[in-house]
Amino acid sequence: DTAVSQTPKYLVTQMGNDKSIKCEQNLGHDTMYWYKQDSKKFLKIMFSYNNKELIINETVPNRFSPKSPDKAHLNLHINSLELGDSAVYFCASSQWGRGKETQYFGPGTRLLVL
Amino acid sequence: AQTVTQSQPEMSVQEAETVTLSCTYDTSESNYYLFWYKQPPSRQMILVIRQEAYKQQNATENRFSVNFQKAAKSFSLKISDSQLGDTAMYFCAFMNQETSGSRLTFGEGTQLTVNP
Repeated sequence: DTAVSQTPKYLVTQMGNDKSIKCEQNLGHDTMYWYKQDSKKFLKIMFSYNNKELIINETVPNRFSPKSPDKAHLNLHINSLELGDSAVYFCASSQWGRGKETQYFGPGTRLLVL
Repeated sequence: AQTVTQSQPEMSVQEAETVTLSCTYDTSESNYYLFWYKQPPSRQMILVIRQEAYKQQNATENRFSVNFQKAAKSFSLKISDSQLGDTAMYFCAFMNQETSGSRLTFGEGTQLTVNP
């Protein structure tokens, strides 16, 4: 009965490859997010979708492309991976509406680019 | 833009004692939420406690409580009766209430170690 799940949990790949990370939530939330945690453990928002509509698009390289096929799923595709993309990527979800915006996080995907 | 500052990169406490983690933030908004999340070695981000800025009463969750000083823009976390399982990185985070579905802005984190 995992609330927010991500696959894979670990991803090791070569520079230049393309990879995807998947996220699913069963909390019935309508808003989902991608955060990046760098090597110093600093967390920063990348994208957010509400009801499949992109509502936050931070200054992120075009090589990163999120996709939300439905409210319960948010995927992150990364093209032409670079060494600097190595990080932990967290998916989170929340419900739109005052008093309900607490974000719940997935377990994270550790990406290592060699 | 909002900023969140945690001035204590590392702290340690003896088991069963009380520890307070500091957080200050900067915003021009009047309606917002503040959160504390913990990240144990398992890497999972776990919500510890949440505070709405319009509420004067400080939030509490069992052994965890906050000291919210809106005028001073301060939001500290007090952990009472510390347990070994409290060892984790603790992040303070800010969310603008006016924009629902908004981003969390995180502080740099405080690594807390509870010693037996």
